[in-house]
Amino acid sequence: TQLLEQSPQFLSIQEGENLTVYCNSSSVFSSLQWYRQEPGEGPVLLVTVVTGGEVKKLKRLTFQFGDARKDSSLHITAAQPGDTGLYLCAGAGMDSSYKLIFGSGTRLLVRP
Amino acid sequence: NAGVTQTPKFQVLKTGQSMTLQCAQDMNHEYMSWYRQDPGMGLRLIHYSVGAGITDQGEVPNGYNVSRSTTEDFPLRLLSAAPSQTSVYFCASSYYGGQPQHFGDGTRLSIL
Repeated sequence: TQLLEQSPQFLSIQEGENLTVYCNSSSVFSSLQWYRQEPGEGPVLLVTVVTGGEVKKLKRLTFQFGDARKDSSLHITAAQPGDTGLYLCAGAGMDSSYKLIFGSGTRLLVRP
Repeated sequence: NAGVTQTPKFQVLKTGQSMTLQCAQDMNHEYMSWYRQDPGMGLRLIHYSVGAGITDQGEVPNGYNVSRSTTEDFPLRLLSAAPSQTSVYFCASSYYGGQPQHFGDGTRLSIL
């Protein structure tokens, strides 16, 4: 069974601080997706990383896929209250079903 | 463009009752899936479908049935509701498995 461990589970920081969220597994994934979820809504895709070592930037968010495609990180620079939410990573398996396995999520609170 | 539509948004059931959660998408996506979200556990895959007439089990299929008679609809049936099935249920779709998912806004289900 493929598992994705996300850390930390909860993060409360002051506006302007930097933070990093980690997503780790012992399994290899064909791609890794990051989502953000607001209360009462479904998750919304932020980015997909496909190639080992790939780095993608989305404004103040930087996503990295590990060289071995087993882990990923999300770094937020100068966090703002609008970044508050639940961040989920999801890995696509290498088998033919291409099922997505989700991490348990990181709940981020950015205080003004 | 409606995207993924889930109904109802909220439901309260008594133990032993049955019900169907509805999911419809208008993006002509082949892949559809159902997840449940519980506190601290991220999203867990219940059932998924790679196309009309084809369904398969996810991580936590027990107590749930699905069918896929059309590309657009993917209902989830609870045969005999149990308190352990109290959760928020999300339907998602994509063109193919493993691709970024488009999520509905969820059904919040409470079983007494």
